[in-house]
Amino acid sequence: DAGITQSPRHKVTETGTPVTLRCHQTENHRYMYWYRQDPGHGLRLIHYSYGVKDTDKGEVSDGYSVSRSKTEDFLLTLESATSSQTSVYFCAISDPLGGGQETQYFGPGTRLLVL
Amino acid sequence: AQTVTQSQPEMSVQEAETVTLSCTYDTSESNYYLFWYKQPPSRQMILVIRQEAYKQQNATENRFSVNFQKAAKSFSLKISDSQLGDTAMYFCAFMITGANSKLTFGKGITLSVRP
Repeated sequence: DAGITQSPRHKVTETGTPVTLRCHQTENHRYMYWYRQDPGHGLRLIHYSYGVKDTDKGEVSDGYSVSRSKTEDFLLTLESATSSQTSVYFCAISDPLGGGQETQYFGPGTRLLVL
Repeated sequence: AQTVTQSQPEMSVQEAETVTLSCTYDTSESNYYLFWYKQPPSRQMILVIRQEAYKQQNATENRFSVNFQKAAKSFSLKISDSQLGDTAMYFCAFMITGANSKLTFGKGITLSVRP
């Protein structure tokens, strides 16, 4: 257990509404990530953070923004949700042993349905 | 760009038998990490095993072992004495060493263990 929680765990929303997903960690890891998982695509990186207020884009960042104002929280925002953003979203953190960022541990996931 | 290929979408194995899941990757880098993650029906992503490319010795974790062939860019996972709890989707993943490096996933393979 790497001390990662995600909220909400399930959400149903309507097209055009804003949605924010939260990832919370308790072990002071520097790196945090947001992925989406869709059938036939595996996991794809949306955004990641390498420190407070330090973020960068992944391969599927369009339509998403992130913020990290404190070490323990990494927020993913869909400014105006679309049906194509229906997915399962995973947060991850880097290796809790602190030796490097190479091993990622995942949160339990958030299932988002956009109607 | 790095790619990870898992060409078998599904496999099935009898309980107590051995099964091998295939993974190939493409990169021009020489220093990297390879991972296998397991995703059971609960959807939690669980790290199974990790291999550093500079190590010639294949990684093992209890009933799980890998066959890492660097020249062939192949990284297969062998599960010995398969158990019903091994039923899951398995993802192969790749990461170049270095700061802010990103994890690239294959599309996954669904493994069913038959009683």
